[in-house]
Order: sequence, then C-alpha cells, then structure tokens
Amino acid sequence: KQEVTQIPAALSVPEGENLVLNCSFTDSAIYNLQWFRQDPGKGLTSLLLIQSSQREQTSGRLNASLDKSSGRSTLYIAASQPGDSATYLCAVRGTQGAQKLVFGQGTRLTINP
Amino acid sequence: NAGVTQTPKFRVLKTGQSMTLLCAQDMNHEYMYWYRQDPGMGLRLIHYSVGEGTTAKGEVPDGYNVSRLKKQNFLLGLESAAPSQTSVYFCASSPLGLAGVFGPGTRLTVT
Repeated sequence: KQEVTQIPAALSVPEGENLVLNCSFTDSAIYNLQWFRQDPGKGLTSLLLIQSSQREQTSGRLNASLDKSSGRSTLYIAASQPGDSATYLCAVRGTQGAQKLVFGQGTRLTINP
Repeated sequence: NAGVTQTPKFRVLKTGQSMTLLCAQDMNHEYMYWYRQDPGMGLRLIHYSVGEGTTAKGEVPDGYNVSRLKKQNFLLGLESAAPSQTSVYFCASSPLGLAGVFGPGTRLTVT
C-alpha cells in the first residue's frame, strides 16, 4: 500500500527566504507526482506535475524535483512571499487500475512579513 | 469551461438523514474521484470511477454510495448520515495519466 509522508508538518519562515518542502513515498512504482496548494477553507490548486520519467518541473519561483528510486520529491520555493502562505500537499498517482492519487498530510507554510 | 463544480457548497444534516452530493466536470475526463478531508488525516479516497457506468471502492467507502450514469457527473450518496461523516468532501477528475483537477469542496456537518 502506497504511503506518502510530508515533513515538516508546519514551517514558518521570514519573507524572502528560499525554502524546501519534502515529500516521500514508499512505493516507487508511480505514474506521476503532483504538488498542490490549498488555502484555508478552499479547494486544491495544482502547482506542478512531474511524470515518472522526469526529474524536475519549474513554474515561476517554484521548482519540484523527483527521485523515484529513492521515493522522494522536493518543492523548492524561491524568494518566498507572504502570499505563499498556504498548505502544500503532494500526491502520487499509482500505475495500476484507476491511477488513484494518494496524498500526504501536507505542510502548512507561513511566510512572515 | 467551468472545470469541476460541486453542489452544494455547504450542508448541515441530522444523524440518520440522507443526501446526495453532485460533482460535474466539463473536460471530458474519464476518471472521477471522491475524497474526504479531515484535520490531521489528509485527503482519503472514498470511491472512484474509471468511466461512465463504472464505480469502485477507495480507502474509506463505508457509509457512502456512488453512481456515474453520465460521463460528466459523479454522485456521492450518504444513506444514513453519522457525525463521523462530518468532513469536507472534494471531487476530482482527470484524463488518463495527467493532472487531477479538483472541485471547490463541500463542507458537510452532521449533528
């Protein structure tokens, strides 16, 4: 059974810092990995999707890497801003059947002005 | 293109009542999913569908039923609501192997 873990559960940093959020998964047989952002009381917004054959994806100040063999992904946020404050979730999609997404519990990020 | 929509956005039920949550997508996606999100538990898969007329159980299916009579709609039913079903429910859809698109969620309280 796939298990996804995100560390840390919460992170608070001053504005302007570069930071890294971590995601690990137990089964390396994945189709892809997706990073989401969730604001309080809101739905999930997809940030980046990395296919299993890729090593990284970039979007603006965000860069996500994937090391499938070690079961790890990182989300790098450059020059953090207060507007980046949210919960960040990673999810892996399996290769079998309905390719279900399995989620980590998220990292709650606070950027202090 | 509305993406994924969910109806209703909020609902309060009494224990034992029933209700249906509607999810609709206009992207012609094959796969649709229902998740629940609880504090400290992350998102857990309730039921899913790989195409019109198909449904299957996810991680936490007890107390829920689903139907997918039309490709664009995925309904989640609670036959006899319990306080343990108080949660935020998210619907998602995706094409094969690509990014999942999530709806805005339905906040359900069972008293």
